[in-house]
Amino acid sequence: QKEVEQNSGPLSVPEGAIASLNCTYSDRVSQSFFWYRQYSGKSPELIMSIYSNGDKEDGRFTAQLNKASQYVSLLIRDSQPSDSATYLCAVGTSGSRLTFGEGTQLTVNP
Amino acid sequence: DTGVSQDPRHKITKRGQNVTFRCDPISEHNRLYWYRQTLGQGPEFLTYFQNEAQLEKSRLLSDRFSAERPKGSFSTLEIQRTEQGDSAMYLCASSLAGEGVEAFFGQGTRLTVV
Repeated sequence: QKEVEQNSGPLSVPEGAIASLNCTYSDRVSQSFFWYRQYSGKSPELIMSIYSNGDKEDGRFTAQLNKASQYVSLLIRDSQPSDSATYLCAVGTSGSRLTFGEGTQLTVNP
Repeated sequence: DTGVSQDPRHKITKRGQNVTFRCDPISEHNRLYWYRQTLGQGPEFLTYFQNEAQLEKSRLLSDRFSAERPKGSFSTLEIQRTEQGDSAMYLCASSLAGEGVEAFFGQGTRLTVV
């Protein structure tokens, strides 16, 4: 079992729709969770962090965390073509290093 | 620009040569991380420093890899006797100290070993 698994892509949504990205993790003691956006050929860019169960909203982005289910998700409302990228789920493990999933490639079609 | 800075952005080297990359973290950040990313994969942790101390190394970091952060500011990652399998994007990130802190990445150095 991989430490961090993301829903297989690629994911394609029409402009204006809600994009839903999912991630599960195996280490029950993990306490910090992050979503990074990575455009092709570029480095990861932090877009959301979440530490407590529930929802955290930032503009069009909402991160959801359920530690009992070891599940974290990212919702992107009113998706725009500029949101087309690979989204990486990262889990904070011991020593503050991050363990990443393989990423989900999102395409928003105009 | 006060973000994480990496140099060079691209490096092409012949197999067997040594290469060195540099990372300058965000100035107030005392933690610095190195990751490696290959196509279609998420970044993989290599090592991290808190100030000048190297606190953790992944078993991915073979004997040919060495990292330093001599004065707790910039860091270098050296790969000796490069192999084609070393071709990847090498990413540096920095953060404040503490559990669960947010880490910010530099632009990366893309290494191609021919």
